[in-house]
Amino acid sequence: NAGVTQTPKFRVLKTGQSMTLLCAQDMNHEYMYWYRQDPGMGLRLIHYSVGEGTTAKGEVPDGYNVSRLKKQNFLLGLESAAPSQTSVYFCASGWTGDRYEQYFGPGTRLTVT
Amino acid sequence: AQSVTQLGSHVSVSEGALVLLRCNYSSSVPPYLFWYVQYPNQGLQLLLKYTSAATLVKGINGFEAEFKKSETSFHLTKPSAHMSDAAEYFCAVSSSGGYNKLIFGAGTRLAVHP
Repeated sequence: NAGVTQTPKFRVLKTGQSMTLLCAQDMNHEYMYWYRQDPGMGLRLIHYSVGEGTTAKGEVPDGYNVSRLKKQNFLLGLESAAPSQTSVYFCASGWTGDRYEQYFGPGTRLTVT
Repeated sequence: AQSVTQLGSHVSVSEGALVLLRCNYSSSVPPYLFWYVQYPNQGLQLLLKYTSAATLVKGINGFEAEFKKSETSFHLTKPSAHMSDAAEYFCAVSSSGGYNKLIFGAGTRLAVHP
């Protein structure tokens, strides 16, 4: 099993450009999450999904959109990138049978200039 | 609301010395508690978790943590540090909002010197 994978690993955007980050998991997990990691701030939840076709806002959702059209994929979109969105983005997944444990992808390092 | 405080953003120890990383939490419901480790340029890996069974939890790589309800603490320890333990460590508490959501602390970067 590959676990949780993220594409791309690195990306540099110019202010105003758009992009989509892809997260895929092969563990048949119901729950999926997008976080951003910034120095000294730990991980903050952007959006999450509790099942195919569902999404919900997390702690810092502004400037991001998400979609979960297939159970195994969770997409994070930036419609108009801003320098404040320079960060490392992590995707994670989990399921009800494994109380609160989350499984993380390797991360995407995004720089917005 | 739940929250996590990790005391000390940077901790430095000598190889072979005791590692102690502090975590205090706030929770309005009985918590599940986690320690994750992040090695450079990698994702987060679960070290150990407390899920209301034994209060002393043993994890991978010789780490353990003790849940102390009276102190609202879940400190991470390892008797003897190894160079390979150098990483960033995150404490997390379960969110009362369900859906396996977690609240993370700001992280503690552990340096191990010879």
